[in-house]
Amino acid sequence: DIVMTQYPASLAVSVGERATINCKSSQSLLDSSNDKNSLAWFLQRPGQPPELLIYWASTRQSGVPERFSGSGSGTDFTLTISDLRAGDMTVYYCQQYYSFPWTFGQGTRVELK
Amino acid sequence: QLNLQQSGPGLVKPSETLTLTCSVSGESIDPISSSSWYWGWVRQSPGKGLEWIANIYYSGTIHYNPSLKSRVIISKDTSNNQFSLKLTSVTAADTAIYFCASGVEIAVMYPFAYWGQGTPVIVSS
Repeated sequence: DIVMTQYPASLAVSVGERATINCKSSQSLLDSSNDKNSLAWFLQRPGQPPELLIYWASTRQSGVPERFSGSGSGTDFTLTISDLRAGDMTVYYCQQYYSFPWTFGQGTRVELK
Repeated sequence: QLNLQQSGPGLVKPSETLTLTCSVSGESIDPISSSSWYWGWVRQSPGKGLEWIANIYYSGTIHYNPSLKSRVIISKDTSNNQFSLKLTSVTAADTAIYFCASGVEIAVMYPFAYWGQGTPVIVSS
């Protein structure tokens, strides 16, 4: 199984600032057939299902604000949230869909400083 | 707009079978008209976080998580436009929130973009 390691486990950020969340996979997620990384980012609010933010490591899902951006390739990936809003304070997960079984990171909680 | 509505018991006794259903609206799961969609299940527990369980594709192809494969069955019911999860011989370790979800595969795989509301399941006698 591909192990997904997220860090930090939590971070405290002020409204208006930037949050950076990291995700490392135990194997490369780069599909050489299409030159895409099979890495997604989700957020999850309390009592709600996960919401897809980013796929292919850097493509925003329809309707997701430009404040959310993804980067990285191979085994190292980053989710950056710019101009943080109060509503962004929740838990974020990375997930690989490169190979089965699909696996998720353990989550990063973004809290208000 | 695709919508997924889950149903199923919130309490299951140890050794019994958990059955959950996800009703789909806004899209047909009939393979003739849904040649891009796939349907799946994910669960979430405090101890193990988010855990992918299984996917079933428009073609009928199925992928299972090897850690659960011996106890899981995923299936589609095109006549009722729904898909289901059966988990046999449940134990306390299967206590979790179960989500149904869906995504598309158009030449390449896209991750789950649509999710059900989640069903909390407790395994207890």
